Amino acid sequence: IAGITQAPTSQILAAGRRMTLRCTQDMRHNAMYWYRQDLGLGLRLIHYSNTAGTTGKGEVPDGYSVSRANTDDFPLTLASAVPSQTSVYFCASSDDGSGADTQYFGPGTRLTVL
Amino acid sequence: GENVEQHPSTLSVQEGDSAVIKCTYSDSASNYFPWYKQELGKRPQLIIDIRSNVGEKKDQRIAVTLNKTAKHFSLHITETQPEDSAVYFCAASTGDTNAGKSTFGDGTTLTVKP
Repeated sequence: IAGITQAPTSQILAAGRRMTLRCTQDMRHNAMYWYRQDLGLGLRLIHYSNTAGTTGKGEVPDGYSVSRANTDDFPLTLASAVPSQTSVYFCASSDDGSGADTQYFGPGTRLTVL
Repeated sequence: GENVEQHPSTLSVQEGDSAVIKCTYSDSASNYFPWYKQELGKRPQLIIDIRSNVGEKKDQRIAVTLNKTAKHFSLHITETQPEDSAVYFCAASTGDTNAGKSTFGDGTTLTVKP
């Protein structure tokens, strides 16, 4: 069992380019989340999905979009990347969508926007 | 929305000493309080959690206490070891399916000196 995986591991991107970060889980968890982690600012929620077919905005959603076509996959898209989106991005999943459950994190994607 | 404050931001202790990290939250409806440990370059992983119907929970050298009246909860690590060195994050969640999210503190960097 792989758990939760992310791709790519790291990416350097020119400003203005479109980029999709991939996240896949094989635990059949209902809920999935995307966070960005910047130095000294902890984990900030970008978007979340309580169950397949539904998504919601987190704390810092601007400039990002997500989709949840099935249970396993939760891609995060930057439509037109800007330098302020340079960060480490973590995908996570949990068994239920209440938020009151353990979150399992992926290994992260380090994104640099130049 | 929920606001979680975590203190201190950095903590340095001698091996064998105890370490205490405190978090306060703003939403009295929050009822789930997990703690995550993130080693350098790794993903966050749950180490302990507590729900609002419990005042204290212990797992070997790690304990968490919750004071719902004062809206704060703390992580206690006893007999610290160098491998406890990491960033620790607290979080709070209302367990509301419509919200479906946890709010994280900004993290505490713990250094255990041999």
